[in-house]
Amino acid sequence: GENVEQHPSTLSVQEGDSAVIKCTYSDSASNYFPWYKQELGKRPQLIIDIRSNVGEKKDQRIAVTLNKTAKHFSLHITETQPEDSAVYFCAERGNKLVFGAGTILRVKS
Amino acid sequence: NAGVTQTPKFQVLKTGQSMTLQCAQDMNHNSMYWYRQDPGMGLRLIYYSASEGTTDKGEVPNGYNVSRLNKREFSLRLESAAPSQTSVYFCASSEYPGHLSYQPQHFGDGTRLSIL
Repeated sequence: GENVEQHPSTLSVQEGDSAVIKCTYSDSASNYFPWYKQELGKRPQLIIDIRSNVGEKKDQRIAVTLNKTAKHFSLHITETQPEDSAVYFCAERGNKLVFGAGTILRVKS
Repeated sequence: NAGVTQTPKFQVLKTGQSMTLQCAQDMNHNSMYWYRQDPGMGLRLIYYSASEGTTDKGEVPNGYNVSRLNKREFSLRLESAAPSQTSVYFCASSEYPGHLSYQPQHFGDGTRLSIL
């Protein structure tokens, strides 16, 4: 079945540093890879997504890279700010959306 | 434009009680989903409805039932609540089912459910 592994489970960085979260998936038919941000007590919200025919996508300080051969994709946040502190979930979609377990990102000022 | 609305926001039940969680979306989406979120386990799919009139099991359906009442509404029912069902429940919707489009899922604010 479909499975997504997400690492690390927690990540602490200094304000201004970069943060990288990695996910690996098992379903070779997966073709869509969104990332969600969830602040404490709030709903998950889509921050960026990438399709399988694209290797990289950027949106200001956030970027996602995809390596279909290796079946892994990563979220990159540059120039981190305290408001980036949240839980980040990767997901992959074949027939259904399957989520990773989440990464707690703490940005220390 | 409210998006996805869930009621109630909080609920405490006793073991064995029944409960229906309500979800409605105003985006004219075809597909709707129910997830549960537990610490360290991400979001797990309970049931989904690819389109009005259809429902299918997800990863963790045991102990739950669903009803797609119409295109807007998708309810989740716990017939006999158990402590293991203590969780945060999220409803979500998307324009089309996952295998037909790249449309993202939009989430409600969640229902925090405690079973004593």
